[in-house]
Amino acid sequence: GEDVEQSLFLSVREGDSSVINCTYTDSSSTYLYWYKQEPGAGLQLLTYIFSNMDMKQDQRLTVLLNKKDKHLSLRIADTQTGDSAIYFCAEGNNQGGKLIFGQGTELSVKP
Amino acid sequence: DAGVIQSPRHEVTEMGQEVTLRCKPISGHDYLFWYRQTMMRGLELLIYFNNNVPIDDSGMPEDRFSAKMPNASFSTLKIQPSEPRDSAVYFCASSLGGAAPNQPQHFGDGTRLSIL
Repeated sequence: GEDVEQSLFLSVREGDSSVINCTYTDSSSTYLYWYKQEPGAGLQLLTYIFSNMDMKQDQRLTVLLNKKDKHLSLRIADTQTGDSAIYFCAEGNNQGGKLIFGQGTELSVKP
Repeated sequence: DAGVIQSPRHEVTEMGQEVTLRCKPISGHDYLFWYRQTMMRGLELLIYFNNNVPIDDSGMPEDRFSAKMPNASFSTLKIQPSEPRDSAVYFCASSLGGAAPNQPQHFGDGTRLSIL
């Protein structure tokens, strides 16, 4: 069945780049998403990429998609303490609104 | 605009009691999702509705869980009887028109449920 895998933890120093990785199994995925969850809050959409794109850049965020390997990554440049959160990768297609989420990667940014 | 509103924010109750979680989706959204988040299992989709009709309830863990959506602006998730292993954060999310990037799922702040 469909599955999305992420590493659970990542720790970086303030000002460094963070790279959060994700692998997925559903080759029919149309869209891939990154959501951010801050403590005590729900998930918020950060960015997304169409499956026919290789890269998308949005300010400090860069999303890379390797469709052949079914690998997605999120790079955060100049990581700040405010970026500390849990980041979820998710895949979806046009079939009914359902998204498949990964387990989430907890990013810890040390000053 | 008001986002997805969930109530209560926190619930502590004893095992065996009935628990009802409530959700008000964003006005005009036609999809509503219920998720459960735990440290062990991460974020799990329990059930989702389209136009108030349950579409996929395969994530509902057992018959003790039930969900309803009597109208477009209200949904409940009920656990009866509750057990300590049901302790988790329960999220409701809504979206317009399904899985499209310009129509993302909007999440509520969750209900933190503790069953003693």
